[in-house]
Amino acid sequence: TQLLEQSPQFLSIQEGENLTVYCNSSSVFSSLQWYRQEPGEGPVLLVTVVTGGEVKKLKRLTFQFGDARKDSSLHITAAQTGDTGLYLCAGAGSIQGAQKLVFGQGTRLTINP
Amino acid sequence: KAGVTQTPRYLIKTRGQQVTLSCSPISGHRSVSWYQQTPGQGLQFLFEYFSETQRNKGNFPGRFSGRQFSNSRSEMNVSTLELGDSALYLCASSLEWPGTDTQYFGPGTRLTVL
Repeated sequence: TQLLEQSPQFLSIQEGENLTVYCNSSSVFSSLQWYRQEPGEGPVLLVTVVTGGEVKKLKRLTFQFGDARKDSSLHITAAQTGDTGLYLCAGAGSIQGAQKLVFGQGTRLTINP
Repeated sequence: KAGVTQTPRYLIKTRGQQVTLSCSPISGHRSVSWYQQTPGQGLQFLFEYFSETQRNKGNFPGRFSGRQFSNSRSEMNVSTLELGDSALYLCASSLEWPGTDTQYFGPGTRLTVL
């Protein structure tokens, strides 16, 4: 059972379209991070959200942390081929008595020209 | 500043063998975490080291072990390899422990078990 559920797992859209990726949990996290991973590389941190309801923008990417700090979303406006990659959310918090970072399974995004 | 480096980048082993993977964290980072990434399970936490001590451990069998040296470099070892151990093994470093703040990942070691 995944502590963090990401949806969709796969998404293929045309350049210029908008999309939203979701990251959901029944657990409360102290912070939530979003990473992007490209083939042959390790994940790279895009953003960290800490406060419930927080919204952060990174150019065409908008990240939101749920009010209850259990879920998050990533919205991309006018997707570009360079946005193609594996998007991972990761929740930080006390899990089984230890401070841990747990990852969702990822959303594999393909932007077609 | 140099990023996290992992060696080797690719490995092919046969069942029953053992393997050692190496990770050099970003200079000044003292916490090193290891993850296993597979298409079916995603990114699974193996263990975290800080000050040469294992601080956290994931749900992996005892065949998976690791250590950290005084210069913060880390190694992980997998003994008696099984086909299911084929995966991308990622190392990540962070400044302090727990490493739940920004983690900087290396490119990974792709292990194939035949």
